[in-house]
Amino acid sequence: AQSVAQPEDQVNVAEGNPLTVKCTYSVSGNPYLFWYVQYPNRGLQFLLKYITGDNLVKGSYGFEAEFNKSQTSFHLKKPSALVSDSALYFCAVREASGTYKYIFGTGTRLKVLA
Amino acid sequence: DGGITQSPKYLFRKEGQNVTLSCEQNLNHDAMYWYRQDPGQGLRLIYYSQIVNDFQKGDIAEGYSVSREKKESFPLTVTSAQKNPTAFYLCASRISGDTQYFGPGTRLTVL
Repeated sequence: AQSVAQPEDQVNVAEGNPLTVKCTYSVSGNPYLFWYVQYPNRGLQFLLKYITGDNLVKGSYGFEAEFNKSQTSFHLKKPSALVSDSALYFCAVREASGTYKYIFGTGTRLKVLA
Repeated sequence: DGGITQSPKYLFRKEGQNVTLSCEQNLNHDAMYWYRQDPGQGLRLIYYSQIVNDFQKGDIAEGYSVSREKKESFPLTVTSAQKNPTAFYLCASRISGDTQYFGPGTRLTVL
């Protein structure tokens, strides 16, 4: 069965420090991986995706993610956190069955402290 | 939130009532999805539709129904058979690529 795990419910980081939000996955076949961000009482906003190609994917708002096939991970990163980055972050994987169904992690709340 | 609208933003339902949540998109996307979000559980798929007049059950379809009569519209009905409907409901759409685009959500509360 395909799955996504976000092992941390919350991540705290000081403003200006680098941040990492972790995601590991389990899929059959090649993974299609996504990161989304959600602000309070809002829908999800797309940040970035990995389909194929370079392992380092750059996305919106200065975020990037590193795909690591051997560790089955797709961690979200940013070199310098902003207070405005505080939000709920979701990792997702598309099922490889061709049904275009997506599996979401449980989310990680990022809190950037001033 | 792009060109996807959901209404109403807040919805209150009495026990035993059916309610319908609206989702409309002007992005000309073929596929549309409904998710339910509960605290600490992430997003769970209720129904999805790849094309007009066709839809499939997701992981938690019991107590819900949908229709897809028009490309731009994918309404979700929460029936009285859904025993715990209080949640945040998110609609999404997808064009031929892989990225989903989400609406702003509807918060449903059972009184």
